[in-house]
Amino acid sequence: EAQVTQNPRYLITVTGKKLTVTCSQNMNHEYMSWYRQDPGLGLRQIYYSMNVEVTDKGDVPEGYKVSRKEKRNFPLILESPSPNQTSLYFCASSPLLAPGKTQYFGPGTRLLVL
Amino acid sequence: AQTVTQSQPEMSVQEAETVTLSCTYDTSESNYYLFWYKQPPSRQMILVIRQEAYKQQNATENRFSVNFQKAAKSFSLKISDSQLGDTAMYFCAFIYIIQGAQKLVFGQGTRLTINP
Repeated sequence: EAQVTQNPRYLITVTGKKLTVTCSQNMNHEYMSWYRQDPGLGLRQIYYSMNVEVTDKGDVPEGYKVSRKEKRNFPLILESPSPNQTSLYFCASSPLLAPGKTQYFGPGTRLLVL
Repeated sequence: AQTVTQSQPEMSVQEAETVTLSCTYDTSESNYYLFWYKQPPSRQMILVIRQEAYKQQNATENRFSVNFQKAAKSFSLKISDSQLGDTAMYFCAFIYIIQGAQKLVFGQGTRLTINP
């Protein structure tokens, strides 16, 4: 089954404690991206990757890092989380040369930073 | 600036009625794709319908159809014979390509409630 998985699904942490949210896809997609969803703001892109070792900033990259060492995985790293990073996070993937095709979204990770 | 505006934060209709969700967008790109996503209480993002900007014919998917007005940059979603399972947050979005990167821009969302 084609899918994007994220872990953990729910996370409560404290300010400053480094955390990683994993994202994995099984469709051999080149393009992967991270979004955060906040009330009244829709989804905003944090980072994206067009292929292995190729990453770039989206619209709201401050406070986040990513890496793309393997095609299937695209972890999101919060080195020093702060309360304003409390949000719902989505990972997505799609074929690079078919942007009109469906973006496959993960199930979401709800993060609370105290 | 690339933006999507959904002017209706919330809507509520009775089951079996028809409802239209509004969406306007702004882009200087000529090649882009438009989407409507549904987000039920499970928070999963589900693609409802997709429209290529270069196609004049409005997309339809069963009870869901769009009214795409390219010159007006409008992309509304019509849900016919609404069902209780249509209750969800709906997001309008478009994707464009810039320097090889896909940029997906979302609206703020419309919370739709279908009442029995």
